[in-house]
Amino acid sequence: DAGVIQSPRHEVTEMGQEVTLRCKPISGHNSLFWYRQTMMRGLELLIYFNNNVPIDDSGMPEDRFSAKMPNASFSTLKIQPSEPRDSAVYFCASSLTGGRGEQYFGPGTRLTVT
Amino acid sequence: GESVGLHLPTLSVQEGDNSIINCAYSNSASDYFIWYKQESGKGPQFIIDIRSNMDKRQGQRVTVLLNKTVKHLSLQIAATQPGDSAVYFCAETLSPGSNYKLTFGKGTLLTVNP
Repeated sequence: DAGVIQSPRHEVTEMGQEVTLRCKPISGHNSLFWYRQTMMRGLELLIYFNNNVPIDDSGMPEDRFSAKMPNASFSTLKIQPSEPRDSAVYFCASSLTGGRGEQYFGPGTRLTVT
Repeated sequence: GESVGLHLPTLSVQEGDNSIINCAYSNSASDYFIWYKQESGKGPQFIIDIRSNMDKRQGQRVTVLLNKTVKHLSLQIAATQPGDSAVYFCAETLSPGSNYKLTFGKGTLLTVNP
């Protein structure tokens, strides 16, 4: 089985540009999570969806960040406009309601904003 | 243990020795805990979990101990191998299987010397 798939794996962009990160959760999972990881702040939950509906977006830093989940097999995290402080590794994870609570993480997208 | 500020706690062991990684969790209402392993350039990977009605759980070469009185969690790795070198995170959540969000610790870097 394919795990969580994220694209791109690496993204380098200039300040002010729009960035879109993509995630395909594990088939059959109905919860999806976006995390950001930095050395300063560790692993932070940005937003999570259950059955394609955003449940908790309290971790989204500011209005420049937005996330969508148009269907059960796809989600995007968009940053517009991007800033150097957004540089981080962004992980997507998925899990199955009623399961152990284990979240399966994707390989991450390393974002560098210059 | 948990990191303070910018520094990631580190543990260096010799191959074949046993490793103990500690974690202090924050929420006394948390009832489900997970240890994750994150290798360089990869997403966190599930190792073992434990519910609050248990104080010990064993897996293959790993044991998790839970002390709810002092809100402390530990991960013991037996006969540590070079492939165990990674950052280890504990995570807590209020309920398994309800897709409640995981709150991650800052992580501990384990280095195994051959």
